Amino acid sequence: QKEVEQNSGPLSVPEGAIASLNCTYSDRVSQSFFWYRQYSGKSPELIMSIYSNGDKEDGRFTAQLNKASQYVSLLIRDSQPSDSATYLCAVNTYTGRRALTFGSGTRLQVQP
Amino acid sequence: NAGVTQTPKFQVLKTGQSMTLQCAQDMNHNSMYWYRQDPGMGLRLIYYSASEGTTDKGEVPNGYNVSRLNKREFSLRLESAAPSQTSVYFCASSETGDERAQYFGPGTRLLVL
Repeated sequence: QKEVEQNSGPLSVPEGAIASLNCTYSDRVSQSFFWYRQYSGKSPELIMSIYSNGDKEDGRFTAQLNKASQYVSLLIRDSQPSDSATYLCAVNTYTGRRALTFGSGTRLQVQP
Repeated sequence: NAGVTQTPKFQVLKTGQSMTLQCAQDMNHNSMYWYRQDPGMGLRLIYYSASEGTTDKGEVPNGYNVSRLNKREFSLRLESAAPSQTSVYFCASSETGDERAQYFGPGTRLLVL
């Protein structure tokens, strides 16, 4: 089992809809969770961080964390074509290395 | 405030050649990282430096060496490049601690022929 798993997609949603991106992780003691957006040919850009169970909202983005189910999600409201990108989930997993573990990413396509 | 910078942006090497990828950050971060990203493989950690003066292996360190030159700079060296090292290389930095968010540089695209 991979430490951080994401559906590779593509996830296709119409403009204005809510996009829901999901991520599961295997390390029960993980404490920090991040969502990055990566446009094609560009570097990952941090968009959300979440550390406690529940929801965290920032503009059109909402991160949701459920540590009991080992599940973190990202909701994008009022999706825009400019949101089309790959979204990477990152988790601090205690593998002996002091670094984040990244999922392979979900490609989101927002159709005009 | 440039954040994390990387040089070069693009490089073509022949098998067996060596090169050093440079990374610098101006955010006063203690920790720095080197990743490679290949299609379908996500970001894989090559080496990291939790603080100035320390370096540790990541998930895929074979064929690479690193130097934490000072707090700002962290370089990645390929001593004898192989086609399997064709990839996009990203440097990142963070405040101390694996629970901190990382901030990425623009990347170096490396092609080994």
